[in-house]
Amino acid sequence: QVQLQESGPGLVKPSQTLSLTCSVSGDSIITGSSFWSWIRQPAGKGLEWIGYISVSGTTNYNASLKSRATIAVDTSTKQFSLKLNSVTAADTAVYFCARLGPQLAFDFWGQGILVTVSS
Amino acid sequence: SFDLTQPTSLSVFPGQTTTITCSASDLGDKYTSWYQQKPGQSPLLIIYEDHKRPSGISERFSGSHSGPTATLTISGTQPMDEADYFCQAWDSSVVFGGGTKLTVL
Repeated sequence: QVQLQESGPGLVKPSQTLSLTCSVSGDSIITGSSFWSWIRQPAGKGLEWIGYISVSGTTNYNASLKSRATIAVDTSTKQFSLKLNSVTAADTAVYFCARLGPQLAFDFWGQGILVTVSS
Repeated sequence: SFDLTQPTSLSVFPGQTTTITCSASDLGDKYTSWYQQKPGQSPLLIIYEDHKRPSGISERFSGSHSGPTATLTISGTQPMDEADYFCQAWDSSVVFGGGTKLTVL
């Protein structure tokens, strides 16, 4: 059973960089068939995929974010991270980390962390 | 990439069958997954690869896919099924449908 836990600041100022970390437990992060992902959800709205990274470092991002997102993985600490730069109020959302399994579905999710962009 | 279209909302009475659709013109050759999300909770995977159920998911949930439309069916809908439901597909990137709010009257 995989468990994921997001951590990071809950408040970020406009134009700054949002930084979040997801800690993975209960399974090996180096499972080759998994993609470690970030997804966000503004209040009252739907899910937006941000991107994912494989253990080998291959990344794939949502083009709508216009290259503002960077995802990295650290297998030694069993963590992966998200950096989103030049944030605005539109980036205010609950951010989830999740595992995209070999069946191309998100089978394990973190509890989510609310990040508010405000001065 | 492509857009997945779902009905915004749906209301059913307890015991009825709920049918939620997810459509895209080029969905035909792509697997669809479905998620249930209750208020304040993370999404829960309930269907993957169009029709497969993860361990622990009720048999009342089933999925199907024909051409441009994937369908989530909830048999004998219960008040506990009241939630938002999202479809998701993969086509070189991940796409989510806009979500369907299911109300059990």
